[in-house]
Amino acid sequence: TAGITQAPTSQILAAGRSMTLRCTQDMRHNAMYWYRQDLGLGLRLIHYSNTAGTTGKGEVPDGYSVSRANTDDFPLTLASAVPSQTSVYFCASSEMGLPYNEQFFGPGTRLTVL
Amino acid sequence: GDSVTQMEGPVTLSEEAFLTINCTYTATGYPSLFWYVQYPGEGLQLLLKATKADDKGSNKGFEATYRKETTSFHLEKGSVQVSDSAVYFCALSEDNTGNQFYFGTGTSLTVIP
Repeated sequence: TAGITQAPTSQILAAGRSMTLRCTQDMRHNAMYWYRQDLGLGLRLIHYSNTAGTTGKGEVPDGYSVSRANTDDFPLTLASAVPSQTSVYFCASSEMGLPYNEQFFGPGTRLTVL
Repeated sequence: GDSVTQMEGPVTLSEEAFLTINCTYTATGYPSLFWYVQYPGEGLQLLLKATKADDKGSNKGFEATYRKETTSFHLEKGSVQVSDSAVYFCALSEDNTGNQFYFGTGTSLTVIP
């Protein structure tokens, strides 16, 4: 099974441009998450969705937006990119309801904002 | 609030050496605890987990015991291999946080032959 796919794998983006990072899962998990990974800071939660049609803010939501129109897709949009958004972005999913349910991660998108 | 603190890296060991990566946590309730591993160029994968106090998670020779009295979940392996070179993340999840995970900053391990 594919699990979680992310696209693109990497991207170089000019500051001020917009971009959508795509994430699709085929496990029918109800919860999905976006993290950014920065050296020395680990993973920080940007936004999450506990079920289709709902979203919530994580630790570092500013400059990002998400939508959850269906169970499988959870795109992350940068409306006007800034260099501080240079990072590796990971999408994850899990089955909601139990705290010991593991999160499954995609391969990541490496974004460079110049 | 909830948080996870893990030992600073990077850690460099010779093959067959003993590994310990320390992890302590702060939580308001009764969290589940996890170790994830990230190999170069890949996403995170679950290595092991423990869901209640005194549970021991184990996988691929790695072990960690959920110690409520010391709020710790240290990762150990008796004999590391070159293939264990990766970044290791400690994490927790509580039932009152909507299944949100809190990750440590990661510890980079390099094993040399």
